[in-house]
Amino acid sequence: NAGVTQTPKFRVLKTGQSMTLLCAQDMNHEYMYWYRQDPGMGLRLIHYSVGEGTTAKGEVPDGYNVSRLKKQNFLLGLESAAPSQTSVYFCASSYRQGGTEAFFGQGTRLTVV
Amino acid sequence: GENVEQHPSTLSVQEGDSAVIKCTYSDSASNYFPWYKQELGKRPQLIIDIRSNVGEKKDQRIAVTLNKTAKHFSLHITETQPEDSAVYFCAASMNSGYSTLTFGKGTMLLVSP
Repeated sequence: NAGVTQTPKFRVLKTGQSMTLLCAQDMNHEYMYWYRQDPGMGLRLIHYSVGEGTTAKGEVPDGYNVSRLKKQNFLLGLESAAPSQTSVYFCASSYRQGGTEAFFGQGTRLTVV
Repeated sequence: GENVEQHPSTLSVQEGDSAVIKCTYSDSASNYFPWYKQELGKRPQLIIDIRSNVGEKKDQRIAVTLNKTAKHFSLHITETQPEDSAVYFCAASMNSGYSTLTFGKGTMLLVSP
């Protein structure tokens, strides 16, 4: 049982480049989330999904897009990367949205130069 | 939306001492309060959680207390050990419905031998 797996683990982008981060979970969870973690800022929600085919904005959605074409996968896209998007990105999933444990992936460290 | 404040941002203790981390929340509708531990370079993992129908919950050396009237909750770690060194995040959400976790900014706990 792998849990939540993120791909890639590390990436360096040049300003203006695009990329997609992949999150896969094998726990049959309905809900999936993308967070970014910056020093002293905690975990901030970018986008989330309450089920296959759905997406919703979180606290800091600007500059990101997401898709949930399959229940087990949640993709985070950066169309035109900016240095302000340098961060550690965590994907998470949960059985239901409120009041249950969120299981996190191992993180993706992204640097935009 | 919900706002979670966490203090202190850093905490240094000697091995064997107790450590207390405090959080306040703003939305009186929140009723689920988890705590996550993140070791250096690792993913956040749930260590304990509490729901608003109880005032205290213990699990071996860790305990969480909740004061709904004052809208604050705290993590207590007794007999600290070097392996307790990590960043701890508190969070809040509602127990149902379309509620996502709102995290505090984190507390870096350092336990010195």
